[in-house]
Amino acid sequence: SQKIEQNSEALNIQEGKTATLTCNYTNYSPAYLQWYRQDPGRGPVFLLLIRENEKEKRKERLKVTFDTTLKQSLFHITASQPADSATYLCARNNAGNMLTFGGGTRLMVKP
Amino acid sequence: GAGVSQSPSNKVTEKGKDVELRCDPISGHTALYWYRQRLGQGLEFLIYFQGNSAPDKSGLPSDRFSAERTGESVSTLTIQRTQQEDSAVYLCASSFRLAGPNTGELFFGEGSRLTVL
Repeated sequence: SQKIEQNSEALNIQEGKTATLTCNYTNYSPAYLQWYRQDPGRGPVFLLLIRENEKEKRKERLKVTFDTTLKQSLFHITASQPADSATYLCARNNAGNMLTFGGGTRLMVKP
Repeated sequence: GAGVSQSPSNKVTEKGKDVELRCDPISGHTALYWYRQRLGQGLEFLIYFQGNSAPDKSGLPSDRFSAERTGESVSTLTIQRTQQEDSAVYLCASSFRLAGPNTGELFFGEGSRLTVL
C-alpha cells in the first residue's frame, strides 16, 4: 500500500521563525501531494497542491517542495504567527483522485 | 449550501445499535469521500464515490460498514452493530474531479462525532 508519514511529535517554534514540516512517502511518486490545515474540532482545509513535476510551490507565507529522489515533501511557513498553530496534514493521491493522508504534525507557534 | 454539510454533528449511541451518518456534498462535485479520524490520529480512508463508477470500498474496516450515494448528491454511511472502537469523527469530503489547477482538492465537512458507549 502507498504509505505517507509525518512526524507525529509536535513542533514548537517561536513567533517570527520559519516552521518546516516533513512528509515522506513510500513506493512510487504520486502525481501530486496536497497539504491541509486542521484546527481542533474542525474538518481539514486545503492549503496547497504540488505536482510531481514541480519542485516548489508558494502561496503567501507558505512554501511546499517536492523531492522525488528523497520521496519527500517539505512544508514551510515563514514569519510564523500564533494563528498558524494547528495540525498540518500531508496527502498523496493514489488511483484516480483517492487521497491517502499522513497522521499530521501539530504545530505550536509561541508568542 | 456553500460547503459540505454533515449530520448529525454529534451522535452518542449504545454498543450494538446501528447508526446512519449523512453527507451533503457541494453541488456539482462528482467525487465524494468518507474518512474516519480517531482522537489524535490522521485520516483513515473508508470509501470513495466517483460519478457513476463503482465505489472504491477498499478502506471499509468490516462488513458492518456500508455507504451509499444517490447519483452525485447525498451520501449515507451506515455502521451496523456499533462497537466501542467505532468511536471517532467521521469526515466527508467532496471534490470537483475535472481538470484544473487544483484538481483533486478536497472540501471537507465539519464531521460527525460518534461516541459508542
